[in-house]
Amino acid sequence: DGGITQSPKYLFRKEGQNVTLSCEQNLNHDAMYWYRQDPGQGLRLIYYSQIVNDFQKGDIAEGYSVSREKKESFPLTVTSAQKNPTAFYLCASSPQGFGDYEQYFGPGTRLTVT
Amino acid sequence: SQQGEEDPQALSIQEGENATMNCSYKTSINNLQWYRQNSGRGLVHLILIRSNEREKHSGRLRVTLDTSKKSSSLLITASRAADTASYFCATKGSQGNLIFGKGTKLSVKP
Repeated sequence: DGGITQSPKYLFRKEGQNVTLSCEQNLNHDAMYWYRQDPGQGLRLIYYSQIVNDFQKGDIAEGYSVSREKKESFPLTVTSAQKNPTAFYLCASSPQGFGDYEQYFGPGTRLTVT
Repeated sequence: SQQGEEDPQALSIQEGENATMNCSYKTSINNLQWYRQNSGRGLVHLILIRSNEREKHSGRLRVTLDTSKKSSSLLITASRAADTASYFCATKGSQGNLIFGKGTKLSVKP
């Protein structure tokens, strides 16, 4: 079964703690992306990676960090510096970057920080 | 850096009716994409229409693109309750990534 997976589906953390969200794909895609979605809003790009060992900041990268050590994996760490981390986080991948290809999305992780 | 903007924000129709939602964007594009999101789930790609295309069909979906007006529309014909979802348009941003609008929330009542 090819696809993109995110885990866990729901995540609860106390304020001040870092938390890492997992994203794995077996589609052999070069590009991967992290988005944040707040209620009733569209998607905002946090980070993206067009190739292994390379990633770029999106529109709202502050308080987040990523790594891309393997083609299949693009974990996102929400640090304690992120002022309002409670949100729905979506990971996506595409064959290549540059917005010319459809993106395949994972099911999302809903993070709640109290 | 929002590029696309959907209209209306929300749409409520009866099963069997057609649903039309619109997307306006600001800068020139190579292509425009439409996605669907069921509540609490990831997005699913529906259609990609290139700048040299005026209309594209996929099943009950019809997408039009008017580059002179910088707008696109998504028509769902003979809607079903299962079409209830949010629909987003997306265009390519200056960094080469996709930029999504805020979406149209469609409710189809049985």
